[in-house]
Amino acid sequence: GAVVSQHPSWVICKSGTSVKIECRSLDFQATTMFWYRQFPKQSLMLMATSNEGSKATYEQGVEKDKFLINHASLTLSTLTVTSAHPEDSSFYICSAFRDRGGYNSPLHFGNGTRLTVT
Amino acid sequence: EDKVVQSPLSLVVHEGDTVTLNCSYEVTNFRSLLWYKQEKKAPTFLFMLTSSGIEKKSGRLSSILDKKELSSILNITATQTGDSAIYLCAADRGSTLGRLYFGRGTQLTVWP
Repeated sequence: GAVVSQHPSWVICKSGTSVKIECRSLDFQATTMFWYRQFPKQSLMLMATSNEGSKATYEQGVEKDKFLINHASLTLSTLTVTSAHPEDSSFYICSAFRDRGGYNSPLHFGNGTRLTVT
Repeated sequence: EDKVVQSPLSLVVHEGDTVTLNCSYEVTNFRSLLWYKQEKKAPTFLFMLTSSGIEKKSGRLSSILDKKELSSILNITATQTGDSAIYLCAADRGSTLGRLYFGRGTQLTVWP
């Protein structure tokens, strides 16, 4: 069954508004979660690493003031797309290690959130 | 600049065929190579490869890593229509575990 839950599955919002996406680890704690974005016909691109209790680490070219990440508990990370624009329309997906990480633990992904900004 | 390149980008086969998907990588601080299957939403984990030359198998799927050639292959034997999906290859790199760098994927279509 799913080990990472993401909500909502899809969202449509108007340009200029903000949207919050939640990522939860189910029955395990995740001190680190990752947020990816996938445009149509493109690969998953890592946006940021979400760290419980501290600031997120953003990949080069990702605006931290636009994509706010909060990892306030060991099972929840949120991504807020602020002042969304049509070019932010994409598939956003989070991931976490099921175990405590380590060399042989694969990442598990949430089901993703399809964001459409009109 | 880190690179993960998959080939072919697209492949169409008939049920029962065997396919080989390729992945090459050039990343800093390489840790492991992962394969995922993506159907409609979340990628589902297939294999994680850290050692060169050791084949991993799961049913009709198998994969192997060649660290000398900086590449990996994913084999699927006796393909079925349910194997139709995008197969993603990713390199885990850097100082933080889990910072995956993905290739563009191979779109596999299996016809009955």
